[in-house]
Amino acid sequence: AQSVAQPEDQVNVAEGNPLTVKCTYSVSGNPYLFWYVQYPNRGLQFLLKYITGDNLVKGSYGFEAEFNKSQTSFHLKKPSALVSDSALYFCAVRDPDSNYQLIWGAGTKLIIKP
Amino acid sequence: EAQVTQNPRYLITVTGKKLTVTCSQNMNHEYMSWYRQDPGLGLRQIYYSMNVEVTDKGDVPEGYKVSRKEKRNFPLILESPSPNQTSLYFCASRATAVEAGSPLHFGNGTRLTVT
Repeated sequence: AQSVAQPEDQVNVAEGNPLTVKCTYSVSGNPYLFWYVQYPNRGLQFLLKYITGDNLVKGSYGFEAEFNKSQTSFHLKKPSALVSDSALYFCAVRDPDSNYQLIWGAGTKLIIKP
Repeated sequence: EAQVTQNPRYLITVTGKKLTVTCSQNMNHEYMSWYRQDPGLGLRQIYYSMNVEVTDKGDVPEGYKVSRKEKRNFPLILESPSPNQTSLYFCASRATAVEAGSPLHFGNGTRLTVT
């Protein structure tokens, strides 16, 4: 079955340190992968996507993600965390069996401490 | 401003009292979708619409209805709400239906409580 996993419910990082939010996937064929962010009391916002091409994808707010086909991972990264990066992050992958719909991870709460 | 607008933001109701959550987008998007968000479960899709007059069930359609009579609007209807439908609901749209690489635009959510 197609699936997405975000193995960490919560990630804590000190401000200024690099951050990583993990995502692994299991889909048939070539994956279309996405990261979205949800700030408190707001809807989700698109951060970045991987469709094809360079394995390192750059997105909004200084975030990037690395696609690793052999490890079936798409981890979200940022070199230097800001307190304002504290939010809920969702990884998603297109479901090839379901008419272009997305399969969503359960979300990872990122807390950046000053 | 390009946006997806949901109303109301908060709604408290009682079991069995029909309600409608409205969703409207001003971006001429083909595709629209409803999700519910529950702690630890992420986002689960309720219904989606690939275009006007075309709707399909998502993962959790039971107890919900939708319609897409015009491109901009995609209301979510709960004919007889029950407490297990207490949740945070999001409407989303994207420019094209079949190009899943185009990003979703989300509304700010509707927090529904059914007592």
